[in-house]
Amino acid sequence: DQQVKQNSPSLSVQEGRISILNCDYTNSMFDYFLWYKKYPAEGPTFLISISSIKDKNEDGRFTVFLNKSAKHLSLHIVPSQPGDSAVYFCAASGIISGTYKYIFGTGTRLKVLA
Amino acid sequence: DTGVSQDPRHKITKRGQNVTFRCDPISEHNRLYWYRQTLGQGPEFLTYFQNEAQLEKSRLLSDRFSAERPKGSFSTLEIQRTEQGDSAMYLCASRTGFEQFFGPGTRLTVL
Repeated sequence: DQQVKQNSPSLSVQEGRISILNCDYTNSMFDYFLWYKKYPAEGPTFLISISSIKDKNEDGRFTVFLNKSAKHLSLHIVPSQPGDSAVYFCAASGIISGTYKYIFGTGTRLKVLA
Repeated sequence: DTGVSQDPRHKITKRGQNVTFRCDPISEHNRLYWYRQTLGQGPEFLTYFQNEAQLEKSRLLSDRFSAERPKGSFSTLEIQRTEQGDSAMYLCASRTGFEQFFGPGTRLTVL
C-alpha cells in the first residue's frame, strides 16, 4: 500500500520554462510535506516544505502547492535551469503507528534541456 | 558546513560478512532516522531514534540488522551475515523540527 505516489517517473522541460512535479497521498493524517532533490550517488537534499495548514509556500524559483481536499501537492520550478536536472522525491510526514515518520514517493526524474 | 555525515561512503563486502556504518547527525538534532534506498524507489524507513532511545524498527529490519545511538550523538547500523539482497544505499537523516536532512549515504554492495 503506497501512501505517497509520484505517478510520473520522468519529465523533460525546456530551459527557462516551468517544471511541474506532482505527488498524491492517501493518508489524511499527514501534517507536513517536503520535496527533496537527489543527484546520483548522493543523499537527498531538502528543497522546500509546506505545513498542512497552508496551501502555498514559495522560496525563490521553487513553489509548493498543497490541495488537501484532493490529497495532492505539486512543486513548480520556474524558470527551469539545466542544473535542476535530478530526481525529485516528495515526502509526507505525520504520526504513523505511534512515531513521527516520513513516507517517500518513488521519485520523478526531471531533465531540463538547454 | 556541519551537515549530516556518513562513513564509509562505499562498502563492498562478501556475502556472510558483517558490516557497520556510522552516521553523525547535525549536532543539535535529537531525532535520527535510518533509511534504505534501492534503484527506482524512494527512501524506506528502517529505524528511528529520539536521543539515545530507539523508538521504532521497521519490519524491513530483520534480526540481522541492529542500530545504536549511544549517548544520543552518532549512530551505527550493523548488518550481520550480509546477503546479496542487502545491497542498497543506506541513508541517515536527522531533524529537530519538521524538516529532515539527509547525509550522503553509504552504498553497500554485497558480492
